[in-house]
Amino acid sequence: NAGVTQTPKFRILKIGQSMTLQCAQDMNHNYMYWYRQDPGMGLKLIYYSVGAGITDKGEVPNGYNVSRSTTEDFPLRLELAAPSQTSVYFCASRPTDGNQPQHFGDGTRLSIL
Amino acid sequence: DAKTTQPPSMDCAEGRAANLPCNHSTISGNEYVYWYRQIHSQGPQYIIHGLKNNETNEMASLIITEDRKSSTLILPHATLRDTAVYYCIVRVGHGDYKLSFGAGTTVTVRA
Repeated sequence: NAGVTQTPKFRILKIGQSMTLQCAQDMNHNYMYWYRQDPGMGLKLIYYSVGAGITDKGEVPNGYNVSRSTTEDFPLRLELAAPSQTSVYFCASRPTDGNQPQHFGDGTRLSIL
Repeated sequence: DAKTTQPPSMDCAEGRAANLPCNHSTISGNEYVYWYRQIHSQGPQYIIHGLKNNETNEMASLIITEDRKSSTLILPHATLRDTAVYYCIVRVGHGDYKLSFGAGTTVTVRA
Protein backbone atom coordinates (compact mmCIF):
# COMPACT_ATOMS: atom_id res chain seq x y z
CA ASN A 1 0.00 0.00 0.00
CA ALA A 2 1.20 3.50 -0.83
CA GLY A 3 -0.81 5.07 2.03
CA VAL A 4 -1.53 8.78 1.55
CA THR A 5 0.05 10.28 -1.57
CA GLN A 6 0.32 14.02 -2.11
CA THR A 7 1.31 15.76 -5.32
CA PRO A 8 3.16 17.91 -6.12
CA LYS A 9 5.86 17.93 -3.43
CA PHE A 10 6.91 21.51 -4.18
CA ARG A 11 5.30 24.38 -6.04
CA ILE A 12 5.89 28.09 -6.53
CA LEU A 13 2.91 30.21 -7.54
CA LYS A 14 2.50 33.85 -8.42
CA ILE A 15 -0.05 35.95 -6.55
CA GLY A 16 -3.49 35.51 -8.07
CA GLN A 17 -2.77 32.17 -9.71
CA SER A 18 -4.79 29.09 -8.90
CA MET A 19 -3.84 25.47 -8.40
CA THR A 20 -5.05 22.16 -7.04
CA LEU A 21 -3.16 20.13 -4.48
CA GLN A 22 -3.81 16.45 -4.98
CA CYS A 23 -4.32 13.86 -2.24
CA ALA A 24 -5.04 10.19 -2.78
CA GLN A 25 -5.24 7.27 -0.35
CA ASP A 26 -5.46 3.57 -1.10
CA MET A 27 -6.61 2.37 2.33
CA ASN A 28 -10.37 2.76 1.67
CA HIS A 29 -10.60 5.34 4.46
CA ASN A 30 -13.80 7.34 4.70
CA TYR A 31 -12.34 10.29 6.61
CA MET A 32 -9.89 12.66 4.94
CA TYR A 33 -8.38 15.94 6.11
CA TRP A 34 -6.37 18.89 4.86
CA TYR A 35 -4.03 20.75 7.21
CA ARG A 36 -1.59 23.59 6.75
CA GLN A 37 1.55 24.16 8.79
CA ASP A 38 3.29 27.50 8.95
CA PRO A 39 6.96 27.67 10.01
CA GLY A 40 7.48 26.77 13.68
CA MET A 41 3.78 26.18 14.26
CA GLY A 42 1.49 23.21 14.73
CA LEU A 43 -0.93 22.01 12.06
CA LYS A 44 -4.21 23.81 11.46
CA LEU A 45 -7.23 22.10 9.89
CA ILE A 46 -8.48 23.60 6.62
CA TYR A 47 -11.22 21.20 5.47
CA TYR A 48 -12.25 17.65 6.14
CA SER A 49 -14.54 15.01 4.66
CA VAL A 50 -16.38 12.11 6.25
CA GLY A 51 -17.07 10.35 2.96
CA ALA A 52 -17.62 10.82 -0.75
CA GLY A 53 -19.83 13.82 -1.42
CA ILE A 54 -19.52 15.25 2.12
CA THR A 55 -17.12 18.00 3.13
CA ASP A 56 -16.94 20.53 5.96
CA LYS A 57 -14.87 23.50 7.05
CA GLY A 58 -12.09 23.35 9.61
CA GLU A 59 -10.36 26.18 11.48
CA VAL A 60 -8.90 28.07 8.50
CA PRO A 61 -11.01 27.44 5.35
CA ASN A 62 -10.90 30.91 3.80
CA GLY A 63 -9.22 30.97 0.40
CA TYR A 64 -9.61 27.23 -0.18
CA ASN A 65 -12.13 24.82 -1.67
CA VAL A 66 -12.39 21.05 -1.63
CA SER A 67 -14.37 18.31 -3.28
CA ARG A 68 -14.76 14.60 -2.58
CA SER A 69 -16.18 12.76 -5.56
CA THR A 70 -14.54 9.43 -4.71
CA THR A 71 -13.41 7.69 -1.52
CA GLU A 72 -9.80 7.76 -2.71
CA ASP A 73 -9.29 11.40 -3.68
CA PHE A 74 -9.60 14.67 -1.79
CA PRO A 75 -8.18 17.59 -3.79
CA LEU A 76 -7.62 21.04 -2.27
CA ARG A 77 -8.06 24.07 -4.55
CA LEU A 78 -6.56 27.51 -4.16
CA GLU A 79 -8.46 29.94 -6.38
CA LEU A 80 -6.57 33.22 -5.96
CA ALA A 81 -3.21 32.53 -4.39
CA ALA A 82 -2.07 35.02 -1.75
CA PRO A 83 1.30 35.28 0.06
CA SER A 84 -0.45 34.30 3.32
CA GLN A 85 -1.08 30.88 1.81
CA THR A 86 2.64 30.12 1.68
CA SER A 87 2.82 27.03 3.86
CA VAL A 88 3.29 23.29 3.96
CA TYR A 89 0.06 21.41 3.28
CA PHE A 90 -0.62 17.95 4.69
CA CYS A 91 -3.37 15.55 3.79
CA ALA A 92 -4.46 12.81 6.17
CA SER A 93 -6.96 9.97 6.23
CA ARG A 94 -8.36 7.52 8.73
CA PRO A 95 -10.88 4.68 8.87
CA THR A 96 -14.38 5.12 10.22
CA ASP A 97 -13.58 3.45 13.55
CA GLY A 98 -13.23 6.49 15.78
CA ASN A 99 -10.29 5.14 17.77
CA GLN A 100 -8.00 4.71 14.79
CA PRO A 101 -5.27 7.31 14.17
CA GLN A 102 -4.93 9.57 11.17
CA HIS A 103 -2.32 8.70 8.55
CA PHE A 104 -0.50 11.61 6.94
CA GLY A 105 1.07 12.22 3.56
CA ASP A 106 4.52 13.75 3.11
CA GLY A 107 3.18 17.21 2.37
CA THR A 108 3.22 19.81 -0.40
CA ARG A 109 5.49 22.81 0.10
CA LEU A 110 3.85 25.83 -1.50
CA SER A 111 5.35 29.29 -1.94
CA ILE A 112 3.34 32.25 -3.20
CA LEU A 113 5.47 35.07 -4.59
CA ASP B 1 -11.39 19.03 22.95
CA ALA B 2 -9.23 19.42 26.02
CA LYS B 3 -6.03 21.43 25.68
CA THR B 4 -2.59 20.01 26.35
CA THR B 5 0.59 21.50 27.78
CA GLN B 6 4.02 20.20 26.84
CA PRO B 7 7.54 21.49 27.55
CA PRO B 8 8.91 23.31 24.49
CA SER B 9 12.10 21.26 24.29
CA MET B 10 14.17 18.53 25.88
CA ASP B 11 17.43 16.72 25.27
CA CYS B 12 18.10 13.03 25.57
CA ALA B 13 21.25 10.92 25.37
CA GLU B 14 21.36 8.25 22.70
CA GLY B 15 20.52 4.83 24.10
CA ARG B 16 18.75 6.23 27.15
CA ALA B 17 15.00 6.36 27.74
CA ALA B 18 13.26 9.58 26.79
CA ASN B 19 10.30 10.53 28.98
CA LEU B 20 8.02 13.15 27.44
CA PRO B 21 5.40 14.67 29.74
CA CYS B 22 2.03 16.06 28.76
CA ASN B 23 -0.53 17.82 30.94
CA HIS B 24 -4.21 17.56 30.01
CA SER B 25 -5.95 18.55 33.23
CA THR B 26 -9.30 19.34 31.52
CA ILE B 27 -9.62 15.99 29.78
CA SER B 28 -13.10 14.49 29.65
CA GLY B 29 -14.01 10.91 30.37
CA ASN B 30 -14.37 9.88 26.71
CA GLU B 31 -11.30 11.71 25.38
CA TYR B 32 -8.31 9.73 24.20
CA VAL B 33 -4.68 10.82 24.40
CA TYR B 34 -2.79 10.56 21.10
CA TRP B 35 0.91 11.03 20.41
CA TYR B 36 2.35 11.93 17.04
CA ARG B 37 5.80 13.03 16.00
CA GLN B 38 7.11 15.04 13.09
CA ILE B 39 10.63 14.50 11.84
CA HIS B 40 12.18 17.43 10.01
CA SER B 41 8.97 18.76 8.43
CA GLN B 42 7.83 15.36 7.16
CA GLY B 43 4.20 14.40 7.63
CA PRO B 44 3.22 13.68 11.26
CA GLN B 45 3.73 10.05 12.24
CA TYR B 46 1.36 8.29 14.61
CA ILE B 47 3.07 6.80 17.67
CA ILE B 48 0.51 5.55 20.18
CA HIS B 49 -2.81 6.34 21.84
CA GLY B 50 -4.75 5.40 24.96
CA LEU B 51 -7.84 6.13 27.03
CA LYS B 52 -6.97 5.21 30.62
CA ASN B 53 -4.82 2.08 30.59
CA ASN B 54 -1.12 2.15 29.92
CA GLU B 55 -0.26 1.15 26.37
CA THR B 56 2.84 -0.23 24.70
CA ASN B 57 3.70 -0.87 21.08
CA GLU B 58 6.87 -1.36 19.07
CA MET B 59 7.67 2.34 19.12
CA ALA B 60 6.87 3.53 22.62
CA SER B 61 4.95 3.22 25.87
CA LEU B 62 2.20 5.53 27.08
CA ILE B 63 1.65 5.97 30.80
CA ILE B 64 -1.58 7.74 31.80
CA THR B 65 -2.07 8.81 35.41
CA GLU B 66 -5.01 7.40 37.31
CA ASP B 67 -6.84 10.74 37.31
CA ARG B 68 -6.04 11.05 33.55
CA LYS B 69 -4.86 14.63 33.98
CA SER B 70 -1.41 13.90 32.62
CA SER B 71 0.51 11.32 30.64
CA THR B 72 4.07 10.41 29.71
CA LEU B 73 5.35 9.06 26.43
CA ILE B 74 8.38 6.83 26.88
CA LEU B 75 10.84 6.08 24.11
CA PRO B 76 12.74 3.20 25.71
CA HIS B 77 16.06 3.46 23.86
CA ALA B 78 16.30 6.76 22.05
CA THR B 79 18.27 6.90 18.81
CA LEU B 80 19.41 9.85 16.74
CA ARG B 81 16.51 9.15 14.39
CA ASP B 82 14.07 9.89 17.21
CA THR B 83 15.01 13.58 17.05
CA ALA B 84 11.68 15.20 16.19
CA VAL B 85 8.82 17.37 17.41
CA TYR B 86 6.43 15.31 19.53
CA TYR B 87 2.77 16.26 19.80
CA CYS B 88 0.39 15.21 22.56
CA ILE B 89 -3.23 15.55 21.46
CA VAL B 90 -6.51 14.92 23.26
CA ARG B 91 -9.65 14.22 21.27
CA VAL B 92 -13.04 12.59 21.57
CA GLY B 93 -12.71 8.89 20.90
CA HIS B 94 -15.68 8.27 18.64
CA GLY B 95 -17.54 9.85 15.81
CA ASP B 96 -16.03 12.55 13.70
CA TYR B 97 -12.95 14.20 15.14
CA LYS B 98 -10.27 16.66 14.27
CA LEU B 99 -6.75 16.78 15.65
CA SER B 100 -5.65 20.02 17.27
CA PHE B 101 -1.87 20.32 17.13
CA GLY B 102 -0.13 22.62 19.58
CA ALA B 103 3.55 23.55 19.43
CA GLY B 104 4.71 20.17 20.75
CA THR B 105 8.04 19.26 22.37
CA THR B 106 11.19 19.41 20.31
CA VAL B 107 13.25 16.39 21.34
CA THR B 108 16.92 16.33 20.46
CA VAL B 109 18.76 13.04 20.89
CA ARG B 110 22.49 13.55 21.32
CA ALA B 111 25.23 11.01 20.70
